[in-house]
Amino acid sequence: NAGVTQTPKFQVLKTGQSMTLQCAQDMNHNSMYWYRQDPGMGLRLIYYSASEGTTDKGEVPNGYNVSRLNKREFSLRLESAAPSQTSVYFCASSLLEGRVEKLFFGSGTQLSVL
Amino acid sequence: EDQVTQSPEALRLQEGESSSLNCSYTVSGLRGLFWYRQDPGKGPEFLFTLYSAGEEKEKERLKATLTKKESFLHITAPKPEDSATYLCAVGGSEKLVFGKGMKLTVNP
Repeated sequence: NAGVTQTPKFQVLKTGQSMTLQCAQDMNHNSMYWYRQDPGMGLRLIYYSASEGTTDKGEVPNGYNVSRLNKREFSLRLESAAPSQTSVYFCASSLLEGRVEKLFFGSGTQLSVL
Repeated sequence: EDQVTQSPEALRLQEGESSSLNCSYTVSGLRGLFWYRQDPGKGPEFLFTLYSAGEEKEKERLKATLTKKESFLHITAPKPEDSATYLCAVGGSEKLVFGKGMKLTVNP
């Protein structure tokens, strides 16, 4: 079982460049998420998609766009990268367990913006 | 606003030296509390879900407990392979809120 797969694992961008982070899950989950993780900040939600065809902003959406391509795939786009977007990005999908979402994470993308 | 605070931020233990990690939270209606383990260069990996005060769960050398204000992750006789960052997350009124994590190092 692959679970949640993210590509690429590493990326270096120059300020102003654009790129798309790809994420796919094979667990048939309805909900998918994008988080960023910075030292001393913990995981912060960028965007999420509760189901195919819907997306919503999280805590830190500025500078990002997302696309829920189908039930399996959820991509994150940086239109004009800034040094403040240097971070580790995690994609996740979730399974509703009781009344709360249990998250399954990918292995992350380490992004540096110079 | 839901909030999560983990302490200490970092902990060094000798192999076999038991200890506890703390996760304090304030939420409007707790739906669940999660513990995750994160190894360097990898994504968080699920450990436990706790739903109500008084609940306890165990896995190998780890035991998680929950009260109305905090959760503890007890580590009994840790081994070097228990070295990792441990994350706490709570589901309250909105999406999951994560703590900043606690880096555990277990020396042989």
